[in-house]
Amino acid sequence: DIQMTQSPSSLSASVGDRVTITCQANQDITNSLSWYQHKPGKAPNLLIYDASKLETGVPSRFTGSGYGTHFVFTISSLQPEDIATYYCQQYDHLPWTFGQGTKVEVK
Amino acid sequence: QVQLVESGGGVVQPGTSLRLSCAASGFIFSHYAMQWVRQAPGKGLEWVAAISGDGTNKYYADSVKGRFTISSDSSKNTLFLQMNSLRAEDTAVYFCARDTASVAARGGLIDYWGQGTLVTVSS
Repeated sequence: DIQMTQSPSSLSASVGDRVTITCQANQDITNSLSWYQHKPGKAPNLLIYDASKLETGVPSRFTGSGYGTHFVFTISSLQPEDIATYYCQQYDHLPWTFGQGTKVEVK
Repeated sequence: QVQLVESGGGVVQPGTSLRLSCAASGFIFSHYAMQWVRQAPGKGLEWVAAISGDGTNKYYADSVKGRFTISSDSSKNTLFLQMNSLRAEDTAVYFCARDTASVAARGGLIDYWGQGTLVTVSS
């Protein structure tokens, strides 16, 4: 199975800050990587797919980059509504696997 | 709009069975592969099972293989997860999710999720 190592596990930032989350795969997954936002009690929400493509309707402050084994997710200017847990997921090989999640809080 | 509504969760004893359902609407059900993903309390997301849009191909995580069965009824736009021989470690919120592909083996990317149904396995 492909292991996805996501870091940090949690972070605290101020409104307006730039937030960066990384995801490392233990083998090449080309660009088959997505990022989801998950708020408690709600359905997860697709933000980024194919490593860098922004899902329709998602604010442009969310961006993704990377290829192969190293990926980066960025919120350019953190907003109060961005408080959530963020997950990366690889869909290059079954079984599809997720990172451990990054809980984002506002200072 | 796409809607996925799970049902069937509850509290059950170890070794027993439970069947989850997911009612889908807002899209042509048979055109999309579907998945089940779960989240144990305080833990991250774990993929459980997937089925192709035509119902022919099915895939399972090793942790549930041989105990869980994914199925679908296109006439009712409904996805199912039959869970047998339940264990305490199966305790989780189970999410129904729509894949962007129609063939499960070529998919994996989820574009819509339900809100989940809680399954608690406890004696």
